[in-house]
Amino acid sequence: EAGVAQSPRYKIIEKRQSVAFWCNPISGHATLYWYQQILGQGPKLLIQFQNNGVVDDSQLPKDRFSAERLKGVDSTLKIQPAKLEDSAVYLCASSRTGEAFFGQGTRLTVV
Amino acid sequence: DQQVKQNSPSLSVQEGRISILNCDYTNSMFDYFLWYKKYPAEGPTFLISISSIKDKNEDGRFTVFLNKSAKHLSLHIVPSQPGDSAVYFCAASGNQFYFGTGTSLTVIP
Repeated sequence: EAGVAQSPRYKIIEKRQSVAFWCNPISGHATLYWYQQILGQGPKLLIQFQNNGVVDDSQLPKDRFSAERLKGVDSTLKIQPAKLEDSAVYLCASSRTGEAFFGQGTRLTVV
Repeated sequence: DQQVKQNSPSLSVQEGRISILNCDYTNSMFDYFLWYKKYPAEGPTFLISISSIKDKNEDGRFTVFLNKSAKHLSLHIVPSQPGDSAVYFCAASGNQFYFGTGTSLTVIP
């Protein structure tokens, strides 16, 4: 069974630029999560989808972050404009029931 | 507000000995608890879980203990191996997964 795929693996951008991350969850997993992990901290949920509907986006900074999950499969997370404090690893995860399975993450550096 | 806490940022253990990683939570509504292992430059990998109706779950060298009255869970690794060296995150599930800050385990050969 293929795992959660994320791209790109690494991204360096200047502040105020925009960036997008892509995630392809495990086939058949209805729930998809985007987490932000800042160095030295645990993953923090940004947004949770159930199929193509948003379940929880209470911690998503909606003035600059947006996410969508078209057709209930792939998802994209966008940041526009980026700030220095957005430097982090962005993790995508998916689940059917029980545990969530994570992708390798995208390491974003904002300079 | 950190609902899941791992108060030990790091732990060093000799190969063959027991590693005990601890985790505390604040929300009594959490009903499912998980441990993840993370190597550098990789995403977290699911290790073991426990439902709130149990107090122990064992999988090979890994055992998770849950003390609901104390809102505490622990991961025991016996015997510890150098390949176990990684960052371990505990997580609790209510309507979403809440993660602790991680404990970096080093197993010394």
